[in-house]
Amino acid sequence: ETGVTQSPTHLIKTRGQQVTLRCSSQSGHNTVSWYQQALGQGPQFIFQYYREEENGRGNFPPRFSGLQFPNYSSELNVNALELDDSALYLCASSEGRLTDTQYFGPGTRLTVL
Amino acid sequence: QQQVKQSPQSLIVQKGGISIINCAYENTAFDYFPWYQQFPGKGPALLIAIRPDVSEKKEGRFTISFNKSAKQFSLHIMDSQPGDSATYFCAASSGNTGFQKLVFGTGTRLLVSP
Repeated sequence: ETGVTQSPTHLIKTRGQQVTLRCSSQSGHNTVSWYQQALGQGPQFIFQYYREEENGRGNFPPRFSGLQFPNYSSELNVNALELDDSALYLCASSEGRLTDTQYFGPGTRLTVL
Repeated sequence: QQQVKQSPQSLIVQKGGISIINCAYENTAFDYFPWYQQFPGKGPALLIAIRPDVSEKKEGRFTISFNKSAKQFSLHIMDSQPGDSATYFCAASSGNTGFQKLVFGTGTRLLVSP
């Protein structure tokens, strides 16, 4: 059974640019959630995708958007990058939109200069 | 009401000792309480979880104690080992919004000295 994978591992962007992060969910999981973890903090919920639709959203502006594909993999897109967007972006997958157990990937470290 | 408060911020325990990390929540709709372990540069790994219908759950050296009336829960690591040195996060979630959103504590950095 393959776990949650994310790419790339690290990314450096400049302020104002756009970035796309990718996630492959664990086998058999149809729900993907994205979290932002700033240095020294706990992860913060960005949004959740279930069967290719956004199913719930946290307190993040619209420049944070996502997609989920038929194979349940997902993308997180961030437009107009700001310095405060520098963080570890985590993807978590689960068996269903109401399944409480979530399994995290290794994350993508984004640095905005 | 969405906050989960975690303490202490950091903890040093001798090898073989007991590590105790505490969390408190306010939202009574929370019905799932997991603990995650995170090593530097890695994603959080699910360690153990509990639901409010039980007061304690044990898996190996890890035990969750849950006090529903006090809205508190804690992680106990028995016989702590240097390999347990990591950051631990408590979290809570509820499905009554139509989706599961984990609300995390601020983390506890545990160092187990040899």
